[in-house]
Amino acid sequence: DAGVIQSPRHEVTEMGQEVTLRCKPISGHDYLFWYRQTMMRGLELLIYFNNNVPIDDSGMPEDRFSAKMPNASFSTLKIQPSEPRDSAVYFCASRDRGGYTFGSGTRLTVV
Amino acid sequence: QQPVQSPQAVILREGEDAVINCSSSKALYSVHWYRQKHGEAPVFLMILLKGGEQKGHDKISASFNEKKQQSSLYLTASQLSYSGTYFCGTEISSGGSNYKLTFGKGTLLTVNP
Repeated sequence: DAGVIQSPRHEVTEMGQEVTLRCKPISGHDYLFWYRQTMMRGLELLIYFNNNVPIDDSGMPEDRFSAKMPNASFSTLKIQPSEPRDSAVYFCASRDRGGYTFGSGTRLTVV
Repeated sequence: QQPVQSPQAVILREGEDAVINCSSSKALYSVHWYRQKHGEAPVFLMILLKGGEQKGHDKISASFNEKKQQSSLYLTASQLSYSGTYFCGTEISSGGSNYKLTFGKGTLLTVNP
């Protein structure tokens, strides 16, 4: 099992640009989560899906953020337009009945 | 909704024990524990479901007091490899049969030789 796969690992972009982060969950895992980690705020839950359906997006900070899960093996988190305060490590995680398995994360830097 | 962890940081010598605490003001479905090393993703350690259970593997164990909405992680005879940031995550209902996991701010554990 390859685990949860995220891409890209690092992203540097200019303020105002669109950023798309990608995630492939573990096959068979029904739940997919997007988290953001910063020193100040720790690990924050942004949104999660169950069987490709968004269940709770109350953690999405602004309308600039959107997430989709078109099928069971792929999800995207999009920021448009990006701002410097969006700089963080973004993790995708999936689970079945046990614990969460995290991807390696995408380190986003907005300059 | 975010659980509260204590202490914020712990420094140990190899072989010493540590306890990390986690508490919530919400009724919990479960408690998770994760360890994160610098520059890496959090790694799942264990999950405790409501019912007041205790779990463990190797020299790391945890308990969950459902009545108090508290959990503790016990690290005994610490090893250098235990160093990292430990997060507790608490699962609460999101409605229906869905639950969301919210993490505490973490406890930085440093084990020195």
